[in-house]
Amino acid sequence: AQSVTQLGSHVSVSEGALVLLRCNYSSSVPPYLFWYVQYPNQGLQLLLKYTTGATLVKGINGFEAEFKKSETSFHLTKPSAHMSDAAEYFCAVSEGSSNTGKLIFGQGTTLQVKP
Amino acid sequence: GAGVSQSPSNKVTEKGKDVELRCDPISGHTALYWYRQSLGQGLEFLIYFQGNSAPDKSGLPSDRFSAERTGGSVSTLTIQRTQQEDSAVYLCASSRELQETQYFGPGTRLLVL
Repeated sequence: AQSVTQLGSHVSVSEGALVLLRCNYSSSVPPYLFWYVQYPNQGLQLLLKYTTGATLVKGINGFEAEFKKSETSFHLTKPSAHMSDAAEYFCAVSEGSSNTGKLIFGQGTTLQVKP
Repeated sequence: GAGVSQSPSNKVTEKGKDVELRCDPISGHTALYWYRQSLGQGLEFLIYFQGNSAPDKSGLPSDRFSAERTGGSVSTLTIQRTQQEDSAVYLCASSRELQETQYFGPGTRLLVL
Protein backbone atom coordinates (compact mmCIF):
# COMPACT_ATOMS: atom_id res chain seq x y z
CA ALA A 1 0.00 0.00 0.00
CA GLN A 2 1.10 3.51 -0.68
CA SER A 3 1.18 6.36 1.77
CA VAL A 4 2.39 9.94 1.98
CA THR A 5 3.64 11.84 5.01
CA GLN A 6 3.98 15.59 5.02
CA LEU A 7 6.10 16.80 7.91
CA GLY A 8 4.59 19.90 9.47
CA SER A 9 0.94 20.77 9.10
CA HIS A 10 1.83 24.48 9.28
CA VAL A 11 4.95 26.23 7.98
CA SER A 12 5.56 29.94 8.40
CA VAL A 13 8.22 31.88 6.49
CA SER A 14 9.00 35.51 5.91
CA GLU A 15 8.52 37.06 2.50
CA GLY A 16 11.70 36.50 0.49
CA ALA A 17 12.83 33.52 2.57
CA LEU A 18 13.34 29.97 1.36
CA VAL A 19 10.28 27.75 1.29
CA LEU A 20 10.79 24.08 2.13
CA LEU A 21 7.81 21.73 2.42
CA ARG A 22 8.66 18.14 3.24
CA CYS A 23 7.11 15.03 1.76
CA ASN A 24 8.03 11.40 2.27
CA TYR A 25 6.29 8.54 0.57
CA SER A 26 5.97 4.81 0.85
CA SER A 27 5.45 2.72 -2.26
CA SER A 28 6.22 -0.86 -3.24
CA VAL A 29 6.33 0.08 -6.91
CA PRO A 30 7.97 2.98 -8.74
CA PRO A 31 5.89 5.99 -7.83
CA TYR A 32 4.60 8.98 -9.68
CA LEU A 33 4.80 11.98 -7.35
CA PHE A 34 2.87 15.23 -7.37
CA TRP A 35 2.56 18.53 -5.55
CA TYR A 36 -0.77 20.33 -5.66
CA VAL A 37 -1.67 23.74 -4.23
CA GLN A 38 -5.07 24.78 -2.95
CA TYR A 39 -5.97 28.42 -2.46
CA PRO A 40 -8.87 29.25 -0.12
CA ASN A 41 -12.24 28.12 -1.48
CA GLN A 42 -10.69 26.84 -4.67
CA GLY A 43 -9.91 23.46 -6.18
CA LEU A 44 -6.51 21.83 -6.40
CA GLN A 45 -3.98 23.08 -8.93
CA LEU A 46 -0.99 21.03 -10.05
CA LEU A 47 2.35 22.63 -9.20
CA LEU A 48 4.64 19.93 -10.56
CA LYS A 49 4.99 16.20 -11.01
CA TYR A 50 7.64 13.52 -11.30
CA THR A 51 7.04 10.44 -13.43
CA THR A 52 10.33 9.26 -14.89
CA GLY A 53 13.60 10.77 -16.02
CA ALA A 54 15.21 13.81 -14.44
CA THR A 55 14.78 13.75 -10.69
CA LEU A 56 14.73 17.52 -10.28
CA VAL A 57 11.45 18.83 -11.60
CA LYS A 58 10.45 22.45 -12.02
CA GLY A 59 6.90 23.64 -11.73
CA ILE A 60 4.86 26.77 -11.89
CA ASN A 61 5.40 29.89 -9.80
CA GLY A 62 9.09 29.16 -9.22
CA PHE A 63 8.59 25.93 -7.29
CA GLU A 64 10.71 22.84 -7.77
CA ALA A 65 11.04 19.41 -6.16
CA GLU A 66 13.62 16.66 -6.20
CA PHE A 67 12.81 12.96 -6.22
CA LYS A 68 15.26 11.13 -3.96
CA LYS A 69 14.63 7.40 -4.13
CA SER A 70 17.16 6.54 -1.42
CA GLU A 71 15.40 8.87 1.00
CA THR A 72 11.87 8.19 -0.33
CA SER A 73 11.38 11.94 -0.41
CA PHE A 74 9.94 14.56 -2.72
CA HIS A 75 10.42 17.86 -0.92
CA LEU A 76 9.07 21.08 -2.43
CA THR A 77 11.19 24.21 -2.47
CA LYS A 78 11.10 27.80 -3.64
CA PRO A 79 14.08 30.12 -3.20
CA SER A 80 12.11 33.23 -2.28
CA ALA A 81 8.60 33.23 -0.83
CA HIS A 82 5.99 35.65 -2.04
CA MET A 83 2.85 36.70 -0.20
CA SER A 84 0.78 35.07 -2.92
CA ASP A 85 2.30 31.67 -2.06
CA ALA A 86 0.19 31.47 1.09
CA ALA A 87 -2.01 28.42 0.56
CA GLU A 88 -2.33 24.76 1.43
CA TYR A 89 0.03 22.35 -0.30
CA PHE A 90 -0.58 18.65 -0.86
CA CYS A 91 1.91 15.98 -1.82
CA ALA A 92 0.47 12.93 -3.59
CA VAL A 93 1.62 9.60 -4.97
CA SER A 94 0.22 7.18 -7.51
CA GLU A 95 1.43 3.80 -8.66
CA GLY A 96 3.57 4.56 -11.67
CA SER A 97 3.86 1.08 -13.09
CA SER A 98 0.31 -0.16 -12.71
CA ASN A 99 -2.81 0.77 -14.56
CA THR A 100 -4.37 3.00 -11.94
CA GLY A 101 -4.80 6.73 -11.70
CA LYS A 102 -5.86 7.17 -8.10
CA LEU A 103 -3.87 9.62 -6.04
CA ILE A 104 -2.97 9.07 -2.40
CA PHE A 105 -2.58 12.42 -0.69
CA GLY A 106 -0.68 13.60 2.34
CA GLN A 107 -2.45 15.53 5.06
CA GLY A 108 -1.42 18.87 3.64
CA THR A 109 0.82 21.71 4.80
CA THR A 110 -0.50 25.21 5.25
CA LEU A 111 2.08 27.79 4.22
CA GLN A 112 1.92 31.19 5.89
CA VAL A 113 4.02 34.01 4.45
CA LYS A 114 4.73 36.92 6.77
CA PRO A 115 5.51 40.38 5.45
CA GLY B 1 -11.02 25.78 -22.73
CA ALA B 2 -13.45 25.07 -19.94
CA GLY B 3 -12.21 23.29 -16.87
CA VAL B 4 -13.90 20.70 -14.68
CA SER B 5 -17.21 21.98 -13.34
CA GLN B 6 -19.21 20.73 -10.40
CA SER B 7 -22.70 21.41 -9.18
CA PRO B 8 -24.05 22.45 -6.84
CA SER B 9 -21.24 24.44 -5.27
CA ASN B 10 -22.89 24.12 -1.87
CA LYS B 11 -25.48 21.68 -0.58
CA VAL B 12 -27.17 21.60 2.80
CA THR B 13 -29.29 18.59 3.57
CA GLU B 14 -30.90 16.85 6.49
CA LYS B 15 -29.63 13.61 7.92
CA GLY B 16 -31.25 10.66 6.18
CA LYS B 17 -31.89 12.42 2.87
CA ASP B 18 -30.29 11.38 -0.43
CA VAL B 19 -28.06 13.79 -2.37
CA GLU B 20 -26.67 13.84 -5.90
CA LEU B 21 -23.49 15.66 -6.84
CA ARG B 22 -22.64 16.33 -10.45
CA CYS B 23 -19.33 16.58 -12.27
CA ASP B 24 -18.71 17.75 -15.83
CA PRO B 25 -15.17 16.78 -16.87
CA ILE B 26 -12.99 18.49 -19.42
CA SER B 27 -14.14 17.54 -22.90
CA GLY B 28 -12.22 14.60 -24.31
CA HIS B 29 -10.90 13.40 -20.97
CA THR B 30 -11.37 9.66 -20.64
CA ALA B 31 -10.65 9.35 -16.91
CA LEU B 32 -12.79 10.85 -14.14
CA TYR B 33 -12.11 10.72 -10.40
CA TRP B 34 -13.99 11.56 -7.22
CA TYR B 35 -12.23 12.54 -3.99
CA ARG B 36 -13.49 13.71 -0.62
CA GLN B 37 -11.84 16.38 1.51
CA SER B 38 -12.80 16.51 5.16
CA LEU B 39 -11.25 17.94 8.29
CA GLY B 40 -10.74 14.61 9.95
CA GLN B 41 -9.63 12.50 7.01
CA GLY B 42 -7.87 14.90 4.65
CA LEU B 43 -8.11 14.14 0.94
CA GLU B 44 -9.41 10.65 0.19
CA PHE B 45 -9.84 8.85 -3.10
CA LEU B 46 -13.38 7.55 -3.64
CA ILE B 47 -13.78 6.16 -7.17
CA TYR B 48 -12.51 6.56 -10.69
CA PHE B 49 -13.80 5.78 -14.18
CA GLN B 50 -11.62 5.09 -17.20
CA GLY B 51 -13.28 4.79 -20.58
CA ASN B 52 -15.49 1.72 -20.77
CA SER B 53 -13.62 -0.20 -18.09
CA ALA B 54 -15.23 -1.19 -14.81
CA PRO B 55 -14.78 1.64 -12.30
CA ASP B 56 -12.37 1.34 -9.39
CA LYS B 57 -14.70 1.69 -6.40
CA SER B 58 -12.11 0.76 -3.79
CA GLY B 59 -12.32 4.10 -1.98
CA LEU B 60 -16.06 4.28 -1.44
CA PRO B 61 -16.57 4.35 2.35
CA SER B 62 -19.88 2.46 2.46
CA ASP B 63 -22.62 1.05 0.28
CA ARG B 64 -24.53 4.30 0.74
CA PHE B 65 -22.15 5.83 -1.78
CA SER B 66 -22.44 5.14 -5.50
CA ALA B 67 -21.42 6.84 -8.71
CA GLU B 68 -22.11 6.54 -12.36
CA ARG B 69 -20.74 8.05 -15.50
CA THR B 70 -23.14 8.35 -18.39
CA GLY B 71 -21.97 8.40 -21.98
CA GLY B 72 -18.36 8.60 -20.92
CA SER B 73 -18.79 12.22 -19.84
CA VAL B 74 -20.86 13.57 -16.96
CA SER B 75 -20.67 11.77 -13.62
CA THR B 76 -23.03 11.75 -10.66
CA LEU B 77 -22.02 10.81 -7.13
CA THR B 78 -25.00 9.74 -5.04
CA ILE B 79 -25.03 9.49 -1.27
CA GLN B 80 -28.06 7.74 0.17
CA ARG B 81 -29.37 8.23 3.71
CA THR B 82 -26.79 10.92 4.43
CA GLN B 83 -25.06 11.01 7.80
CA GLN B 84 -23.37 13.92 9.53
CA GLU B 85 -19.97 12.35 8.94
CA ASP B 86 -20.60 12.67 5.19
CA SER B 87 -20.15 16.45 5.54
CA ALA B 88 -17.13 17.32 3.42
CA VAL B 89 -16.01 18.89 0.18
CA TYR B 90 -16.42 16.47 -2.71
CA LEU B 91 -13.87 17.06 -5.47
CA CYS B 92 -14.03 15.78 -9.01
CA ALA B 93 -11.04 15.56 -11.34
CA SER B 94 -10.48 14.44 -14.90
CA SER B 95 -7.48 13.49 -17.00
CA ARG B 96 -6.93 12.82 -20.66
CA GLU B 97 -5.81 9.29 -19.89
CA LEU B 98 -5.04 7.34 -16.74
CA GLN B 99 -1.70 8.39 -15.18
CA GLU B 100 -1.87 11.80 -16.84
CA THR B 101 -2.31 15.05 -14.99
CA GLN B 102 -5.57 15.30 -13.08
CA TYR B 103 -7.42 18.61 -13.30
CA PHE B 104 -9.67 19.34 -10.36
CA GLY B 105 -12.99 21.09 -10.17
CA PRO B 106 -13.88 23.62 -7.46
CA GLY B 107 -15.74 21.02 -5.41
CA THR B 108 -19.16 20.68 -3.84
CA ARG B 109 -19.35 21.58 -0.16
CA LEU B 110 -21.85 19.23 1.50
CA LEU B 111 -23.24 19.91 4.95
CA VAL B 112 -25.45 17.31 6.58
CA LEU B 113 -27.48 18.68 9.50
